[in-house]
Amino acid sequence: GAVVSQHPSRVICKSGTSVKIECRSLDFQATTMFWYRQFPKQSLMLMATSNEGSKATYEQGVEKDKFLINHASLTLSTLTVTSAHPEDSSFYICSATDGKNTGELFFGEGSRLTVL
Amino acid sequence: QKEVEQDPGPLSVPEGAIVSLNCTYSNSAFQYFMWYRQYSRKGPELLMYTYSSGNKEDGRFTAQVDKSSKYISLFIRDSQPSDSATYLCAMKVNQGGKLIFGQGTELSVKP
Repeated sequence: GAVVSQHPSRVICKSGTSVKIECRSLDFQATTMFWYRQFPKQSLMLMATSNEGSKATYEQGVEKDKFLINHASLTLSTLTVTSAHPEDSSFYICSATDGKNTGELFFGEGSRLTVL
Repeated sequence: QKEVEQDPGPLSVPEGAIVSLNCTYSNSAFQYFMWYRQYSRKGPELLMYTYSSGNKEDGRFTAQVDKSSKYISLFIRDSQPSDSATYLCAMKVNQGGKLIFGQGTELSVKP
C-alpha cells in the first residue's frame, strides 16, 4: 500500500511556543490530506481537510488560527499548532488519499505532542 | 447518539480463539466500511475495506456488513498475541466523503 510519513513522531514543547508537524506521501501524489486528533482511548476526530493549493476546510469547533494547515505540494502537508498550551497535548495523525477509485485512506504514524 | 457506536472493551481472549468485533451505525447513507488496526502510539493501518453489504475474507480476517441492521463485524480466526491492538471501524457515505470512526475496541490476545 501507499506510504505516508509523519515527522516528528514525538515532540515536547513549552507553553506558548509553536510546533510544526509534517505529513508526506512518499510514493504517491496526495491531492487531499486529512488531519486527525486522538486522545487516549478515544477515537480519531477529524480536524481539517487539506487540498493541495487551497485553504483547508476545518471541522466545526476547530480553531483555524490555532491549527494552521498548509498543503503547498502534492506530497506535503503541514500542521502548525500555534501558541501551544497543555490542553493541546494529544496524538495528531495525518492521512492521505491517492485519489484512486477506492478512496482508501493511508495513515501516517502519528505525532505525539506534549506541551509543558 | 453517536453516528458510529463501538464497544471500547477491553476484550481479552486466549490465543487461538475466534474474535468478534462489532460496530453499529445510525446513518443509512454509509456505503463504505473499513476496519483499521492501531498498535499503541502508532497510526491506524487498514485491514479490511468493504463496499455495501456482504462478506469479505482476507486470510484470518473476515468482514461482514449488514446494511439492513446497520451493523458491521470483523472476525479474527486463530487469534495470535500479535493481534493485540485497538481495532477501529470506520465508514463513509461516498469515496470522497468524511471518514467517521468508531471509538475503537482494545483487544488483548493472551498466549
